[in-house]
Amino acid sequence: DADVTQTPRNRITKTGKRIMLECSQTKGHDRMYWYRQDPGLGLRLIYYSFDVKDINKGEISDGYSVSRQAQAKFSLSLESAIPNQTALYFCATSEDRFIEQFFGPGTRLTVL
Amino acid sequence: SQQGEEDPQALSIQEGENATMNCSYKTSINNLQWYRQNSGRGLVHLILIRSNEREKHSGRLRVTLDTSKKSSSLLITASRAADTASYFCATDFTGGGNKLTFGTGTQLKVEL
Repeated sequence: DADVTQTPRNRITKTGKRIMLECSQTKGHDRMYWYRQDPGLGLRLIYYSFDVKDINKGEISDGYSVSRQAQAKFSLSLESAIPNQTALYFCATSEDRFIEQFFGPGTRLTVL
Repeated sequence: SQQGEEDPQALSIQEGENATMNCSYKTSINNLQWYRQNSGRGLVHLILIRSNEREKHSGRLRVTLDTSKKSSSLLITASRAADTASYFCATDFTGGGNKLTFGTGTQLKVEL
């Protein structure tokens, strides 16, 4: 969905490096989410934010942090990347709890 | 884990046939959603069914929900090669903090 963009789309990094994944949206939604996808495990929620001043941990927040810089921007950071953080990362937005989520194209992260 | 379980994990059919995928979950829900993911890309919302609804249609898609059995099914009629994708159910659990929990997905392959 072109309304939700993620940068970078692909990233290879080394163990111990700090890395930031960025998400921007033009949908005007208050709610934003970060997920990771591993083969056979579906999507798992890392962090979510219901507005600029609201940040919540998801199912697998350890090793990650987030920043909600504005309504339109939600960044995910790996302070010290490790190989088992190699995965496909998705950002998503939604208008409210009963409405569907709109996903970005994903960032493929490889930690060597 | 409250993650939904999908069945089958993989499904291969011929073009023109119907495809049925099932999702089971563990606790009461506010709504259940189905998403499609083309290989390595972002998820796209297909349909949402609320806990007080039993059936919903959208084009060639038919979704049913049985809250007594804690299960849902997605039927794609007259399948096309373009329907080849992974399909995920996602549940908004009652008391789940207003977030979705995704199943592990069904990989559908529609052959010509």
